[in-house]
This record gives sequence, structure tokens and C-alpha cells, in this order.
Amino acid sequence: AQTIHQWPVAEIKAVGSPLSLGCTIKGKSSPNLYWYWQATGGTLQQLFYSITVGQVESVVQLNLSASRPKDDQFILSTEKLLLSHSGFYLCAWSLTGGDTEVFFGKGTRLTVV
Amino acid sequence: GDQVKQSPSALSLQEGTNSALRCNFSIATTTVQWFLQNPRGSLMNLFYLVPGTKENGRLKSTFNSKESYSTLHIRDAQLEDSGTYFCAAPTSGGNYKPTFGKGTSLVVHP
Repeated sequence: AQTIHQWPVAEIKAVGSPLSLGCTIKGKSSPNLYWYWQATGGTLQQLFYSITVGQVESVVQLNLSASRPKDDQFILSTEKLLLSHSGFYLCAWSLTGGDTEVFFGKGTRLTVV
Repeated sequence: GDQVKQSPSALSLQEGTNSALRCNFSIATTTVQWFLQNPRGSLMNLFYLVPGTKENGRLKSTFNSKESYSTLHIRDAQLEDSGTYFCAAPTSGGNYKPTFGKGTSLVVHP
């Protein structure tokens, strides 16, 4: 069975500090991977997606970057956090190809102070 | 404008009653997903649909691709059905970008 693990569960960080969020998918080879962001009470906004190792496409610019260093790992990061980065970050995967079902991790709640 | 529009934005139900949520699409889509987000934030997959109908327990969902809408029916609502329901559809254009509606916030009360 496929499992998706996100870390950390929650973070409180200072404005201007760096950030690194991680996501690991087990049990599925070469999945499509996604990062989503959700403001409190808001909808889910796709930030990045990746169809293969080393390849990441940006969907929305939020002064964040993403990398896929391994087939099963997706990292979201920034060198300088802004207050507007606060929210809920969700990693997701789907099978390769186009239109397939998407599955989400449990998310990381980020508070920037 | 919004490519995926959900209605209503909020709903209050008494336990044991029935209701329907709706999702309208202004994009051509061949599939739709429905999710339930719990208060902690976790997203549970409810349905993944091609045109047609699926049923799971007290939930039933229909996707009509010709008229570009999907519905989620909740029968005999229970307290644990409370949360935010999202629908999502993949947009076209070369990359796979599941686009979410703004959600329906459902509260089921005794």
C-alpha cells in the first residue's frame, strides 16, 4: 500500500528565517508529486508539481522553491520566510500520466511570526 | 472567474437529514474528485469519478460531463460528516493541475 509522509507536522518560524518541508511517498514508483498551500479557511492552491526526479514545475510564485532529489521525495523550501507564507502545506501524489486520482499527505501547519 | 465553483459555501444540517452539494465547472474536464477535509486539515478521498454515478454508504456522487457539473449527496447526515467538502477537476493545458473549488463548509448538529 502507498503511504505518504510529511514532516514536520507543524512549525512556528520567524519572518526572514529559512524553511524546509519534506514529503516522502512509499510504495509507488515514479509518481507525480505536488505541493499545495491552503490559507486558513481557504481553498487549495497548487504551488509545484513534478513528474520525475530532478524536474519541478512552478505553478504559482510565492517566493518558494521545490526540489525532487529522489524519486520518492519532494522538498519545499525558502531562504526567507514572509508572514504571507503562513498556512497549511499539503503534499500529494498521483500516478503518472494525465488525469488520475490525487492522494494527499496529512499536511504541515506553518505559522510565521 | 473561478474554474470550479462550489455551492453552497456553507451548510448547516440536522442529524438524520439529507442534502446535496454541487460543483460547476467552466473548464472541460473528464474526471472529478471529491474530498472531505477534517478540522485537523487532513483530506480524505471520497470519490474519483468519470461521467456517471458512484455510491459509498450514505454518500452518492454524480458527474455529468456534458453539462459540466457534479453533485455529492449526503443521506442521513451524521455528526462525523462535518467538515469542508472540496471538489477538484484537472485543468487542461499540458500540465496536470487539479484545480479545487472553494469548498462547502458543512456542520451537522444534533
